[in-house]
Amino acid sequence: QKEVEQNSGPLSVPEGAIASLNCTYSDRGSQSFFWYRQYSGKSPELIMFIYSNGDKEDGRFTAQLNKASQYVSLLIRDSQPSDSATYLCAVHLAGQLTFGSGTQLTVLP
Amino acid sequence: EAGVVQSPRYKIIEKKQPVAFWCNPISGHNTLYWYRQNLGQGPELLIRYENEEAVDDSQLPKDRFSAERLKGVDSTLKIQPAELGDSAVYLCASSLVSGAFEQFFGPGTRLTVL
Repeated sequence: QKEVEQNSGPLSVPEGAIASLNCTYSDRGSQSFFWYRQYSGKSPELIMFIYSNGDKEDGRFTAQLNKASQYVSLLIRDSQPSDSATYLCAVHLAGQLTFGSGTQLTVLP
Repeated sequence: EAGVVQSPRYKIIEKKQPVAFWCNPISGHNTLYWYRQNLGQGPELLIRYENEEAVDDSQLPKDRFSAERLKGVDSTLKIQPAELGDSAVYLCASSLVSGAFEQFFGPGTRLTVL
């Protein structure tokens, strides 16, 4: 079992819709959770991080964490074509990040 | 504020040749990371430095890979000899301190081994 699992996609949503990206992790000792966005040919950039159970909102982005279920999600409201990218879930444990394989999101105009 | 700088951006070599990548982290960032990213995969940590000390190199293939961070600032990652399977993007990242803090990534070096 991979340490961090994501649906590879591709996930397509129409412009203005809500995009929902999911991630599960295997190590219950994981302490914090990150969502990175990576445009094709570019390096990852941090969108959000979350430490505590529940929701965390930042503009159009909401991260959700459920440690009991070992589940993290990212919701993108009012999706825009510029949101089309690969979204990487990363889990922090013992000083290092472990990344999932990413979910490719396409927002259709 | 300047970001993480990496060079070269692209490198094409033949197998069995040596190759080196250079990284200069964001000023003041004590922690430096080298990752390898294969196509369609997330970055995988190769080595983590706290200042000049390599504190986690468990995933670095030590038979052919080496790294150094002299003076705790810039860093070099070397492969000798390169193999076909080493073709990937090599990413350098830095953070203010280790742990659950934001890591800032450089643009990466795309290595192609022929």
